[in-house]
Amino acid sequence: QLQLQESGPGLVKPSETLSLTCTVSGGSISSSSYYWGWVRQPPGKGLEWIGSIYHSGSTYYNPSLKSRVTISVDTSKNQFSLKLSSVTAADTAVYYCASPRPDSSTCYHYWGQGTLVTVSS
Amino acid sequence: QSVLTQPPSVSAAPGQKVTISCSGSSSNIGSNYVSWYQQLPGTAPKLLIYDNNKRPSGIPDRFSGSKSGTSATLGITGLQTGDEADYYCGTWDSSLSARVFGGGTKLTVL
Repeated sequence: QLQLQESGPGLVKPSETLSLTCTVSGGSISSSSYYWGWVRQPPGKGLEWIGSIYHSGSTYYNPSLKSRVTISVDTSKNQFSLKLSSVTAADTAVYYCASPRPDSSTCYHYWGQGTLVTVSS
Repeated sequence: QSVLTQPPSVSAAPGQKVTISCSGSSSNIGSNYVSWYQQLPGTAPKLLIYDNNKRPSGIPDRFSGSKSGTSATLGITGLQTGDEADYYCGTWDSSLSARVFGGGTKLTVL
């Protein structure tokens, strides 16, 4: 059973860079044939897709966040990471990492528990 | 403003049936598979339906999905109080080259 776990600071100052890592267990990023993703959810609001990455490093980003987002992968550690620069209070959210099903890359089947990141001075 | 449009809320009595709609366009729902997610308060989303109408193992057949043109529908029969949650549709948008979600629908079981 694939498991994903987000980690990183829970508090980030405005204008700084938010950095999170997703550690994958029960499966291998390097042997997967789909994109691993990041999704966020501001308090009381809906889901917002941030972007996704393939084990080769190929990425897709949400056009509205593209200028501030970098997603990277470290297959040796079975991890992928998110960096969001120049954060503001609007970036306060629960951040989830997620993975599709092996038989269907069109959905997110496996989700981390989520980590709340608050942007505040 | 979400790319996919869902009603903000729906409600029905226990044991009844409810449907939740998800409206999009030719670049997203019209040309890609739709998935549905259930999110209970304080928890991560859970995949209910994928590839328009397939259920992952462990999801009861009370949950069903369908797609027609640029719209998709989630159906839930035999409503239970435990079904009270937020429901989201999602798909890929080929024009944006991005995954998109609906704004979410809050289901209340009266």
